Amino acid sequence: GAGVSQSPRYKVTKRGQDVALRCDPISGHVSLYWYRQALGQGPEFLTYFNYEAQQDKSGLPNDRFSAERPEGSISTLTIQRTEQRDSAMYRCASSQTGVTQYFGPGTRLTVL
Amino acid sequence: DQQVKQNSPSLSVQEGRISILNCDYTNSMFDYFLWYKKYPAEGPTFLISISSIKDKNEDGRFTVFLNKSAKHLSLHIVPSQPGDSAVYFCAARGGSNYKLTFGKGTLLTVNP
Repeated sequence: GAGVSQSPRYKVTKRGQDVALRCDPISGHVSLYWYRQALGQGPEFLTYFNYEAQQDKSGLPNDRFSAERPEGSISTLTIQRTEQRDSAMYRCASSQTGVTQYFGPGTRLTVL
Repeated sequence: DQQVKQNSPSLSVQEGRISILNCDYTNSMFDYFLWYKKYPAEGPTFLISISSIKDKNEDGRFTVFLNKSAKHLSLHIVPSQPGDSAVYFCAARGGSNYKLTFGKGTLLTVNP
């Protein structure tokens, strides 16, 4: 497929566990973005990369959240010691132009 | 403090009529505005965008109008079709990090 893919699509974990969410952007897209979306809200920015460089992580809620994109393609968003308030839809988007962002289907995270 | 606002949570129109979705913003530094459509269980799909230096952009049945003095934009869909039924998000890009700021979305229902 030519679109952005994310895995897993659904993740259920227990409070205190670490989770890793993966994003595979559209081939050749330089920029990659992570957003979090609560029910009834629009996506909210978490962090973004140009190639492998993390350009802005101002939206990460706290230091339990981290992201990497070591080879400038696939990215992983890691949440350590998950809490119930981390439950949300996590969305990844990629862009070639820096204007239009193309979104993946998201990962629904549920922390019990 | 919500910088992008979609004040109508829902809108219902008859097939063949015009749908008008509205969006207001507060940050005059936004340089691009985008509309995304979202079906259930899917990621947001890019629909149309407009640069802040323009006041209108048209693509088929979809037209976006921008009124910078009023900090207001609208998406017109004409004629509306049942397949247009979805949640529509208004988003704005601003600042050097290119992040998108989203509204809460408007659920459009087009009745046959």
